[in-house]
Amino acid sequence: EVQLLESGGALVQPGGSLRLSCAASGFTFSNYAMSWVRQAPGKGLEWVSGISDSGGRTYYADSVKGQFTISRDNSKNTLYLQMKSLRAEDTAIYYCAKDEGAVDTYFDYWGQGTLVTVSS
Amino acid sequence: IVMTQTPLSLSVTPGQPASISCKSSQSLLHNDGKTYLYWYLQRPGQSPQLLIHEVSNRFSGVPERFSGSGSGTDFTLRISRVEAEDVGVYYCMQSIQLPQTFGGGTKVQIK
Repeated sequence: EVQLLESGGALVQPGGSLRLSCAASGFTFSNYAMSWVRQAPGKGLEWVSGISDSGGRTYYADSVKGQFTISRDNSKNTLYLQMKSLRAEDTAIYYCAKDEGAVDTYFDYWGQGTLVTVSS
Repeated sequence: IVMTQTPLSLSVTPGQPASISCKSSQSLLHNDGKTYLYWYLQRPGQSPQLLIHEVSNRFSGVPERFSGSGSGTDFTLRISRVEAEDVGVYYCMQSIQLPQTFGGGTKVQIK
């Protein structure tokens, strides 16, 4: 059974930093691209970032380029999202999602999400 | 690519059909012959779950009452007989081009 467990969400002040983690199990992690998708309170879904199976290629939404960094540790079956210079508009539930194949495919499994709140 | 869903919300009597439309600003037909359109359901308080991939293919475990159709830029998700567990927000998504983009969502409620 595929499981994705996010952690690291918290209340952070504007300008602060946070690192999210996603522990994966139930599939061969190193064979699949992974992504982060966020959902602001009461809003729709926004793809944030994706990373190839090896970690060699990364992709970002324009809204977070230069601000967020995606990475993965295939030896630990874990996906990360390093977020800096956080703004109120980054407040959202952040979901880790498994790509069906490469980064430009679809998301077949999602984690339960972790809440990031940016507020003073 | 902009994805536009209609209606915004839908109230359905159990056992009755429901239909959601999704239109894309560009064709989702790739030159590999596949059409990169997907449907997700987000039940209240839960994360999204995949229902349909490549327009009309039900994901593992998805009931047969869910079906998808369409081509090019116009797509439809149909629920043949709505059940109580089908309440939530339905999203279409395209992946023909990065970034993947989602429709604004259609909220389905039970009458």
